[in-house]
Amino acid sequence: DSGVTQTPKHLITATGQRVTLRCSPRSGDLSVYWYQQSLDQGLQFLIQYYNGEERAKGNILERFSAQQFPDLHSELNLSSLELGDSALYFCASSGVFSGELFFGEGSRLTVL
Amino acid sequence: AQSVTQLGSHVSVSEGALVLLRCNYSSSVPPYLFWYVQYPNQGLQLLLKYTSAATLVKGINGFEAEFKKSETSFHLTKPSAHMSDAAEYFCAVHDNAGNMLTFGGGTRLMVKP
Repeated sequence: DSGVTQTPKHLITATGQRVTLRCSPRSGDLSVYWYQQSLDQGLQFLIQYYNGEERAKGNILERFSAQQFPDLHSELNLSSLELGDSALYFCASSGVFSGELFFGEGSRLTVL
Repeated sequence: AQSVTQLGSHVSVSEGALVLLRCNYSSSVPPYLFWYVQYPNQGLQLLLKYTSAATLVKGINGFEAEFKKSETSFHLTKPSAHMSDAAEYFCAVHDNAGNMLTFGGGTRLMVKP
């Protein structure tokens, strides 16, 4: 158990819809990272937050947004969903950066 | 920008055989390098990391990796494969500026009985 909790574990929705994925980091970790894993794109970094502030942005689409709340949990919002957004979305957290990210078990999104 | 390349998206070995998973990196500064493992239906977990101390790094489950600057490589090895090693393995490099990890494409290790 990494200590990182992601909900929901599975989500099935239709094209054009909007979903929110939630992540609770390990206790005390200030950084939260979101990654997308798909068969064709591999593991892609989306965005990082540190103590509520956006720290780094990767290959995140404009239809996607994220935020980190004062209690340090984070949400990834995916809107106007397309079939190609079907993927496993991982949240990870870290404390003082040592290179070790602690990953949740992921949220599997299926867009039909 | 830093990047890693993993040679071979699939590697198959027999149980008891040597495991060798290849990773080459590109970095303009001394890198921090990592190997993560992903078991089926699970998130990634850290196997080992290189942070400019010893060039031979030992990790969990009998894995180790050697940092070779001259070859810009950080290959992962295990002397004797076990069935439980079947998983996907990711090499990653640390982005000094953004505190994020950039992952390679992954290598799926299959272990035959």
